[in-house]
Amino acid sequence: DAGVIQSPRHEVTEMGQEVTLRCKPISGHDYLFWYRQTMMRGLELLIYFNNNVPIDDSGMPEDRFSAKMPNASFSTLKIQPSEPRDSAVYFCASSFIRDAYGYTFGSGTRLTVV
Amino acid sequence: QQPVQSPQAVILREGEDAVINCSSSKALYSVHWYRQKHGEAPVFLMILLKGGEQKGHEKISASFNEKKQQSSLYLTASQLSYSGTYFCGTQGGSEKLVFGKGTKLTVNP
Repeated sequence: DAGVIQSPRHEVTEMGQEVTLRCKPISGHDYLFWYRQTMMRGLELLIYFNNNVPIDDSGMPEDRFSAKMPNASFSTLKIQPSEPRDSAVYFCASSFIRDAYGYTFGSGTRLTVV
Repeated sequence: QQPVQSPQAVILREGEDAVINCSSSKALYSVHWYRQKHGEAPVFLMILLKGGEQKGHEKISASFNEKKQQSSLYLTASQLSYSGTYFCGTQGGSEKLVFGKGTKLTVNP
């Protein structure tokens, strides 16, 4: 299996622009998670899905953030409009039956908003 | 709700042992351990479930004290490849996995 695939690996955008991050989970995994990592706040859970349904989005910082999972093999995290404080590494992770096997993380997207 | 890890950083010589601790103020259902190398994604090491046994493989093992809401990761006879930042993640009553701020481990020759 190719693992969790995220794109793009790096994104540099200007403040106010829309940013879309993409994730392809491991086939057969039923949970998908979006995390954000910064030096100050560490790894923060933004939102997670179970069988394509959003379960908990309480970690989404503001209405500027939205996430979708239209099918079992694809998810997006969108920021509109982007701000410099959104600069971080965004990770997507997937897992099977929640606790049993741990999470497999993608390589992440390093977002820089200037 | 974020678990507290200690120490924040540790420096070892190759072959030495280390213990990393993770504690929570909430009752825990499970504890995960991950290692992240610089510029890479976190990699799953092991999971400990409430009522489960101590886990481990080779020279990395972990324990889970449910009453104290604590977990410890044990690295024995450390190797250069063990260098990285170790994160514990905890789950309480919900399905959320909340990560600690990490422990940076440096193993020198």
